[in-house]
Amino acid sequence: DIHMTQSPSSVSASVGDRVTITCRASQSISSWLAWYQQKPGKAPKFLIYAASTLQSGVPSRFSGSGSGTDFTLTISSLQPEDFATYYCQQANSFPYTFGQGTKLKIK
Amino acid sequence: DVQLLESGGGLVQPGGSLRLSCVASGFTFSNYAMTWVRQAPGKGLEWVSGISNSGTHYADSVKGRFTISRDNSKYTLYLQMNTLRVEDTAIYYCAKGLYISGNYFDYWGQGTPVTVSS
Repeated sequence: DIHMTQSPSSVSASVGDRVTITCRASQSISSWLAWYQQKPGKAPKFLIYAASTLQSGVPSRFSGSGSGTDFTLTISSLQPEDFATYYCQQANSFPYTFGQGTKLKIK
Repeated sequence: DVQLLESGGGLVQPGGSLRLSCVASGFTFSNYAMTWVRQAPGKGLEWVSGISNSGTHYADSVKGRFTISRDNSKYTLYLQMNTLRVEDTAIYYCAKGLYISGNYFDYWGQGTPVTVSS
């Protein structure tokens, strides 16, 4: 199985900050990577797929990059509604796997 | 609008069975892959099972115990869960695949809780 590792596990930031979250795959997954946002008590929300394609309706302050084994999610200017937990997911091969999550907290 | 509504969760003893259902609306159900993802209390997301044009697939942790199926005429996805273990306790989400191949999950239900305990 492909293991996904996110870093950091948690990060504190302020409104307006630029934040980058990293996701590393245990083997190459080409660009088969998605990012999701989850708020407490809610279902995950689909943000980015194919490593860098923004899902319709997602604000342009979110961006993704990377290929192979190393990927990043960047939020260019944090808004209050962005404080949540973020997960990466590999879609290269079954079983699909998620990273352990990165909790983005208000500083 | 796409909507996914799960049901069938509850409290069950170890070794017991449950069948989860997910009723879909707002899209042509048969044209898309569907998946189940779970989240144990206070933990991260775990992909459980998917059904797509390539067939059915399972996480190692549930293989041989869980069965995914769908009834396209009823716009319904199912997850039959047998021989349940304490570690299967989680909120179970159904999610719609972005494509028929189902690599990514663009819409999610609100989840149904499953508790396995004696």
